Amino acid sequence: AQSVTQLDSQVPVFEEAPVELRCNYSSSVSVYLFWYVQYPNQGLQLLLKYLSGSTLVESINGFEAEFNKSQTSFHLRKPSVHISDTAEYFCAVSDMDSSYKLIFGSGTRLLVRP
Amino acid sequence: DTAVSQTPKYLVTQMGNDKSIKCEQNLGHDTMYWYKQDSKKFLKIMFSYNNKELIINETVPNRFSPKSPDKAHLNLHINSLELGDSAVYFCASSHRGQGNTEAFFGQGTRLTVV
Repeated sequence: AQSVTQLDSQVPVFEEAPVELRCNYSSSVSVYLFWYVQYPNQGLQLLLKYLSGSTLVESINGFEAEFNKSQTSFHLRKPSVHISDTAEYFCAVSDMDSSYKLIFGSGTRLLVRP
Repeated sequence: DTAVSQTPKYLVTQMGNDKSIKCEQNLGHDTMYWYKQDSKKFLKIMFSYNNKELIINETVPNRFSPKSPDKAHLNLHINSLELGDSAVYFCASSHRGQGNTEAFFGQGTRLTVV
């Protein structure tokens, strides 16, 4: 069975500062990895995903995440955050079997302060 | 042109009532899901249907019954509602197949049982 750990429940950061949101997973099989973002009172939007290939994946709004198989991690980073990045961020895994269900971490609230 | 739409967005009802939440996707996906987000924002899969066939049925009380009349619809019926059923319920869809497992989520239905 898979599991996802997001150690930080909340990460406060000042605007234009860099940020890293940590995600570790455990699985006995190969997995797909995802970061979803949830803005207040909204649904989840895919931020970026790792399926195969390059271990560094990027989103259109400046976030990036690196898949590290040896450390079973998929940390999310942004070099300079904006107020509008304030949201809940969820890391998720999906194993490569027939179900494709997502196993989510507990979420990290990114709070960007002016 | 919403990709995954759920109705209603908000649902307030009394204990013991029966209610339904509807979900429709226009993405041409063959797999649909119901996820539950509790008050601590933790997301957990409940059900999944692939081509109208139930493929995931997590440990969910049998008061919850999903129904998929066709590939584009997955409804959730809840009997004898309890206080603990209060949560946000998210519908999602994806296309089953290697390398294409991104799930698209609806805006959620906030269910409050009083």
